[in-house]
Amino acid sequence: KAGVTQTPRYLIKTRGQQVTLSCSPISGHRSVSWYQQTPGQGLQFLFEYFSETQRNKGNFPGRFSGRQFSNSRSEMNVSTLELGDSALYLCASSPHRVVDTEAFFGQGTRLTVV
Amino acid sequence: QKEVEQNSGPLSVPEGAIASLNCTYSDRGSQSFFWYRQYSGKSPELIMSIYSNGDKEDGRFTAQLNKASQYVSLLIRDSQPSDSATYLCAVENTGNQFYFGTGTSLTVIP
Repeated sequence: KAGVTQTPRYLIKTRGQQVTLSCSPISGHRSVSWYQQTPGQGLQFLFEYFSETQRNKGNFPGRFSGRQFSNSRSEMNVSTLELGDSALYLCASSPHRVVDTEAFFGQGTRLTVV
Repeated sequence: QKEVEQNSGPLSVPEGAIASLNCTYSDRGSQSFFWYRQYSGKSPELIMSIYSNGDKEDGRFTAQLNKASQYVSLLIRDSQPSDSATYLCAVENTGNQFYFGTGTSLTVIP
């Protein structure tokens, strides 16, 4: 069974640009959640999608958005990038809930904003 | 005040000892509590969840919850070098938002 796949693994962008990250969940999983991890702030919850609807949202500005497709694949978009957006972005998939014994994380996308 | 606070450590224990990791949270109405383990350079993995006051045991791991004190802990008995990792405490608050502590780095010394 394939795991959670995130693409790309590494990305370098310039301040002011926008970026789209992709997450392919484990087959059969309908919940996809996104996280930002930085050394200073730690792991922070961005949002969760379930059956193409955003079901949960953390405290991030509107520059951070996402969507989920009918095949449960999810994308996260960050517009007008700032230096502080440099981070490891993780997604996790689960059959039903954000946190679940069957929830697994992808390897992450390392975003560097210069 | 942060939603979830953990002692960042590092915490060092000898092999075979009990490692005790602690976490406090600010939203008194929070109902769901989780512990994740994250090895260096790897993604987090869920190791324990607890929802009721008291202790919950799973193998060498015991999660303890005290809602009155807004305190969650994780005990690792018979610590092994393979337990060396960063442990993240997470809380689902009354608004169904998830907050993580910054993690406690644990080193088990052979």
